[in-house]
Amino acid sequence: QVQLQESGPGLVKPSETLSLTCAVSGYSINSGYFWGWIRQPPGKGLEWIGSIYHSGSTSYNPSLKTRVTISVDTSKNQFSLKLSSVTAADTAVYYCARHHDYGGNSPLLDYWGQGALVTVSS
Amino acid sequence: SSELTQDPTVSVALGQTVRITCQGDSLRRFYASWYQQKPGRAPVVVIYGKKNRPSGIPDRFSGSSSGNTASLTITGAQAEDEADYYCVSRDSSGNQLIFGGGTKLTVL
Repeated sequence: QVQLQESGPGLVKPSETLSLTCAVSGYSINSGYFWGWIRQPPGKGLEWIGSIYHSGSTSYNPSLKTRVTISVDTSKNQFSLKLSSVTAADTAVYYCARHHDYGGNSPLLDYWGQGALVTVSS
Repeated sequence: SSELTQDPTVSVALGQTVRITCQGDSLRRFYASWYQQKPGRAPVVVIYGKKNRPSGIPDRFSGSSSGNTASLTITGAQAEDEADYYCVSRDSSGNQLIFGGGTKLTVL
């Protein structure tokens, strides 16, 4: 059974960098799929942050692109998110997820972490 | 285009049928997948591809697509179906994932 688990500080100060890691078990990241980050501000909808392919290529939400870095550590079977220059607007539950394009034209996020609340506050 | 539009709220009487829609130009090229999210929980996929349902999802959930609109239909809604529902697809370039704004389904 594939499982994903987010970890990282739950409180980050404004202007600093938010860092989260997603540990994957039950599947080797090297074997394929996209590995993505999605966030959800309190009481609001879901927003895709970005994804990394197992080969290391990345894609980011244009609205966050200048502040986001997603990387993968295949030796630890985990991938990470860094979001710089955070403000209160970045307060959210951050989810990691595995996804691929079913049939080549239907994104399918089939496994999700439980989510990690990150609050930006001084 | 990089937007998917959903009605913010929809309600349905217990046991009746409800359709939740998702509109966007990219849906002419890509199918949407649908996710159910209950309070405090991670989203769960209920429909993907043209009309595929993961194992464990009740067959009262079905999907369809026409033109720039994808639809999720619940036939015989149950109390446990009350949740937020999100559509997900790619933007027209295929480079980004995009989420609809979500629909809060109330079962009366």
